[in-house]
Formats: sequence, C-alpha cells, structure tokens
Amino acid sequence: EVQLVESGGALVQPGGSLRLSCEASGFSFGRDWMHWVRQAPGKGLVWVSHIDRDGSVTTYADSVKGRFTISRDNAKNTLFLQMSSLRVEDTAVYFCVRDGPNYVWYDWGQGILVTVSS
Amino acid sequence: ENVLTQSPGTLSLSPGERATLSCRASQSVKNNYLAWFQQKPGQAPRLLIHGASSRATGIPDRFTGSGSGTDFTLTISRLEPEDFAVYYCQQYGGSLWTFGQGTNVEIK
Repeated sequence: EVQLVESGGALVQPGGSLRLSCEASGFSFGRDWMHWVRQAPGKGLVWVSHIDRDGSVTTYADSVKGRFTISRDNAKNTLFLQMSSLRVEDTAVYFCVRDGPNYVWYDWGQGILVTVSS
Repeated sequence: ENVLTQSPGTLSLSPGERATLSCRASQSVKNNYLAWFQQKPGQAPRLLIHGASSRATGIPDRFTGSGSGTDFTLTISRLEPEDFAVYYCQQYGGSLWTFGQGTNVEIK
C-alpha cells in the first residue's frame, strides 16, 4: 500500500522559513516524479512544485519561484519543501503527491497545515 | 500557462440526477493529459479520470470523462449520496501543471 506522510507544518511569522517533509512507502520512491500541491483555507488546489526522479530537474509555480526549494533523498524515501520568505498568502494545507506512470496522480498524502501569521 | 476554467461553479442536483461538469482550457491540452479529481471536506483529492477519459482504478462506471483539445467534460450519470463533493480538472503541459477552480456539486 502506498503511503505518503507529510510533516513539518507549523505557525510561522511572515518572512520566516519552514521545511516540510513527506515520507514515502509502498512503492519505489526513486522511480517517480513527485509534487507539492497546496490549498488555502476554503479555496481550490494549486500546484506548487515538481521534482524528477533523481532531483536534477525541478519546476515551480511563479508564486513560489525563488522562495521555495523542492528536493528529495531517495535513500530515505523522503521528499522535502524548503520554504523561505513566507507570506500570509502561503497559508495552506500542503499535499505531497506521487506522479505515477503516464503522469497519473493516484497517490496523495493527507496534507499538512502551514499557517503564516504574525 | 494553460488556464483551466470550470463551469458551473456550483451545481445543485438531487440524488439520481445526472451531473455534467465542464472544463475549458485556454490552450490545447498536450496529449489529452487531463485529469479529474474529487475532493470531500477534510480529505485529500481522489483521482477519478486520467488521460481525459480513462477511469482510475476502483472508480464506478457512473463517472465518465470525455473531450479533447480545449473542451472536456465529466459526467456523473446518476448521482449517489457520496458523490456530492468538489470536482477539479487538472492538466499537464511540459513541466507546468494547472488546476481548474473547481465545481461544487451540492444536494438540492
């Protein structure tokens, strides 16, 4: 059974930093692209970032480019999102998502809440 | 960026009725990489349809995806009580992924 478990969410002040983790199990982590998707309270889904199998290619939504960094440790089956210069509008539930064969997104984590507020 | 516009924003229907949800892209969706997700409050999204028309594993056949190019449709043939939720379309186009704003299917 595929499991994706996010951690690291917290209340942080504007301008602060936070690192999210997503521990994966039940599949060959190093074979799949991974994504972060976020959802502000009461709002829709927004794609945030993607990383390829070995971490050599990363892409970002314009809203987080230059502030967020996605990375992975395939030896530890873990995906990361380093967030810096956080803004109030970054407040959201963050989901990690497995991008399976043929770009099919079957597997999502349960989500972790990040709150940016003074 | 390929912007996805979903309509209507809210669909008020009764159990047993047919639901038709639309997703229109501002540019042609590459290789029909168009997916539909269902989300219930407090839960992660669930994949329903991928490749515009392929039902995901375990999804009942009352869910049908259709369309190509820039116009896509999700049809729920007969609404069951558990189908009342928010539905999102999503596309992949060359290292950029975008979601529609969602359609809320609510009980009338």
